[in-house]
Amino acid sequence: QKEVEQDPGPLSVPEGAIVSLNCTYSNSAFQYFMWYRQYSRKGPELLMYTYSSGNKEDGRFTAQVDKSSKYISLFIRDSQPSDSATYLCASVTGTYKYIFGTGTRLKVLA
Amino acid sequence: GAGVSQSPRYKVAKRGQDVALRCDPISGHVSLFWYQQALGQGPEFLTYFQNEAQLDKSGLPSDRFFAERPEGSVSTLKIQRTQQEDSAVYLCASSATSGSRGETQYFGPGTRLLVL
Repeated sequence: QKEVEQDPGPLSVPEGAIVSLNCTYSNSAFQYFMWYRQYSRKGPELLMYTYSSGNKEDGRFTAQVDKSSKYISLFIRDSQPSDSATYLCASVTGTYKYIFGTGTRLKVLA
Repeated sequence: GAGVSQSPRYKVAKRGQDVALRCDPISGHVSLFWYQQALGQGPEFLTYFQNEAQLDKSGLPSDRFFAERPEGSVSTLKIQRTQQEDSAVYLCASSATSGSRGETQYFGPGTRLLVL
């Protein structure tokens, strides 16, 4: 079992929909949780960064961490075709070694 | 520079050849990381440098993989006697200080290696 599990998709939604992307993790020592966006043939780009449990909002993006259920979520409101990409969740303990999920491919249809 | 840069962007090698992949981190960043991303997978940690010191190489898949950062800035990942299973995207990332406490890592565009 991987330490961070993520449904690979693909997930197709119409433009304007609310998108929910999810990950589960198994390591209770994880403290920091990240969402990266990766466009085709590009490097991962940091979207959201959360410490411990709770919500964090940035524009159309909301990240949620529930440490009691070891569940990480990213919500995208008013999705746009430009949001079409692979979304990677990552977790880390107090160190530097990021553990990534497999990534979920999202396609927003115009 | 403004971000992490990597070269070459694409590399095709014949099985058994040696390859060298270069990473230029964000100027002044202390920590540098190499990851391997197989097709359809997330990045997997290979190795970590703090300045010129390689503090963790636990993710390197075999002794054919070697990384260096001799002057604490540019890094090179070398793969000797390449095998088909080495085909992947190799990502470099850097962070401002020690990289600990989950410090943000900034990724380059990657080098796509194809071994025939």
